[in-house]
Amino acid sequence: DGGITQSPKYLFRKEGQNVTLSCEQNLNHDAMYWYRQDPGQGLRLIYYSQIVNDFQKGDIAEGYSVSREKKESFPLTVTSAQKNPTAFYLCASSIDRSYGYTFGSGTRLTVV
Amino acid sequence: RKEVEQDPGPFNVPEGATVAFNCTYSNSASQSFFWYRQDCRKEPKLLMSVYSSGNEDGRFTAQLNRASQYISLLIRDSKLSDSATYLCVVNTGDTGFQKLVFGTGTRLLVSP
Repeated sequence: DGGITQSPKYLFRKEGQNVTLSCEQNLNHDAMYWYRQDPGQGLRLIYYSQIVNDFQKGDIAEGYSVSREKKESFPLTVTSAQKNPTAFYLCASSIDRSYGYTFGSGTRLTVV
Repeated sequence: RKEVEQDPGPFNVPEGATVAFNCTYSNSASQSFFWYRQDCRKEPKLLMSVYSSGNEDGRFTAQLNRASQYISLLIRDSKLSDSATYLCVVNTGDTGFQKLVFGTGTRLLVSP
């Protein structure tokens, strides 16, 4: 079955560490997105990519980096510059503006 | 003003009740509209798209009023399994690339 796979499901990071969240899709979607969700808040866009080797900053890109070397993969790195990284991270993809997004099951990142 | 605004609730209703959620958006150029459902600690899932003429999917009816920049979701004959947070989602309408903006969600609790 086609879908989006995010890993790991839970991730613990020490202060000052960089961590990378994986996002893989086999839906043949061109566009991919990373969102962050904090308790009681809406989803906020971190980065998005329309096509391989191209990506754009979203509303809260500071302290994050991405790459898009393959159509299927859009990993997100949470760097030590991100001061408040504890959150629920969601990866999504879409084929067309009319169809909405398909989300992965998310990664919960906690700083310890 | 937020781009997408929703009443956070919670809406507490008994099984079998009819409940309606409202949402307003600020960008008059927005082109696509959706309702997503999000269960606790899970990813959002597309419930339905919202079309200008209004649309229905079983017990769910979505309406769009472009003049008032207003979207609604009506749930009839509520089930316990309808308990979730409902997210109003709007395409910002920027030319070219699709970028969805999510409301903070309205929480629904259906009780026996």
